[in-house]
Amino acid sequence: DQQVKQNSPSLSVQEGRISILNCDYTNSMFDYFLWYKKYPAEGPTFLISISSIKDKNEDGRFTVFLNKSAKHLSLHIVPSQPGDSAVYFCAASPSNTDKLIFGTGTRLQVFP
Amino acid sequence: NAGVTQTPKFRILKIGQSMTLQCTQDMNHNYMYWYRQDPGMGLKLIYYSVGAGITDKGEVPNGYNVSRSTTEDFPLRLELAAPSQTSVYFCASIPSFANTGELFFGEGSRLTVL
Repeated sequence: DQQVKQNSPSLSVQEGRISILNCDYTNSMFDYFLWYKKYPAEGPTFLISISSIKDKNEDGRFTVFLNKSAKHLSLHIVPSQPGDSAVYFCAASPSNTDKLIFGTGTRLQVFP
Repeated sequence: NAGVTQTPKFRILKIGQSMTLQCTQDMNHNYMYWYRQDPGMGLKLIYYSVGAGITDKGEVPNGYNVSRSTTEDFPLRLELAAPSQTSVYFCASIPSFANTGELFFGEGSRLTVL
């Protein structure tokens, strides 16, 4: 039972354009959402997060949008750079728990 | 600053063998986690600990055991290795959860069971 789903296994975007990565969740008890970035042979690193009381959070080139009614969040990267090429995981935390549930990941490739 | 250190980085096991994946962190974090990453399946939580002497099961605990005798160390034990345990294992830590979820991950341990 995959509670956090990333339905696009891969995405290819030209440098300078916008990258949009999507994530859907099923558990209405999730109240905190995060995006992690992972390069090959490295552990994931935290990128950006959003609380369920907000619908948008921005950090430089990265913006996360949350649509609670649709149980959907997205990560926008503008402008995309070749160094953004990595696997991106969305993750969610059920309220009153101490753990994160991860999605399946989307491999982003930014080409020149 | 070492952060989260995992050993070994690579290991090949035969079916039925046992081994321990080591994880240590030098950030004095209370919370520690073990995840496994299978191709196309994302990261699955195996076990976690909110402090020394306290452990709890995650999504996929079967076939694994953990202990947390110190704040720094959180070893993961495989008692009878099976091919289904071929995966990349990640250890992570955080000072306290408090709904921030910003885990610090180790570099991973790639385990192959033949």
